Amino acid sequence: QVQLQESGPGLVKPSGTLSLTCAVSGDSISSSNWWTWVRQPPGKGLEWIGEIYHRGSTNYNPSLMSRVTLSVDKSKNQFSLKLNSVTAADTAVYYCARIRTSTPRRNWFDPWGQGTLVTVSS
Amino acid sequence: DIQMTQSPSSLSASVGDRVTITCRASQSVSSYLNWYQQKPGKAPKLLIYAASSLQSGVPSRFSGSGSGTDFTLTISSLQPEDFATYYCQQSYSTPYAFGQGTKLEIK
Repeated sequence: QVQLQESGPGLVKPSGTLSLTCAVSGDSISSSNWWTWVRQPPGKGLEWIGEIYHRGSTNYNPSLMSRVTLSVDKSKNQFSLKLNSVTAADTAVYYCARIRTSTPRRNWFDPWGQGTLVTVSS
Repeated sequence: DIQMTQSPSSLSASVGDRVTITCRASQSVSSYLNWYQQKPGKAPKLLIYAASSLQSGVPSRFSGSGSGTDFTLTISSLQPEDFATYYCQQSYSTPYAFGQGTKLEIK
């Protein structure tokens, strides 16, 4: 059974950097899957942040591209998110997920991690 | 970027009702459309992928249809555990986008 678990600070100061890690179990980060981050501000909808492949290829949401970096650590079977210059608007529950693909473009997010709340406040 | 719009934003229904939620894309996404269910305080859960394929373990009362720009999620007979928020998501191109969600409440 594949499981993903987010971890990282729950509180980040404005203008600081939000750093989260997603530990993967039951699957190899080096498999043929892409891996992704999604966030959800309190009481609001889902926003896609970006995706990464174990060889380092990435795609980012243009709305966040200037501030986001995704990376993979194969030795620890995990991937990470860094979001810099954060403001209160970045307060959200952050989810990581595996992207399953059957054909190009025919892909979906499953499973998801349980999510972690990150609050941006001084 | 492709925008996804769901309707209605909220819906009240009773156990046993047949419910349909609509999702419209701002341009064709072919059949590259997924549906997720989210309960309060929980992560989204995949229900339907590729517009009409039922994820393993998901009850058969859930079904999806559509292609191009218009899609529907149907619950044939609502059960108490189905009251949740539902999101559509296009996988046709990045940035992947979600609909704003449809909150299904008990009448």
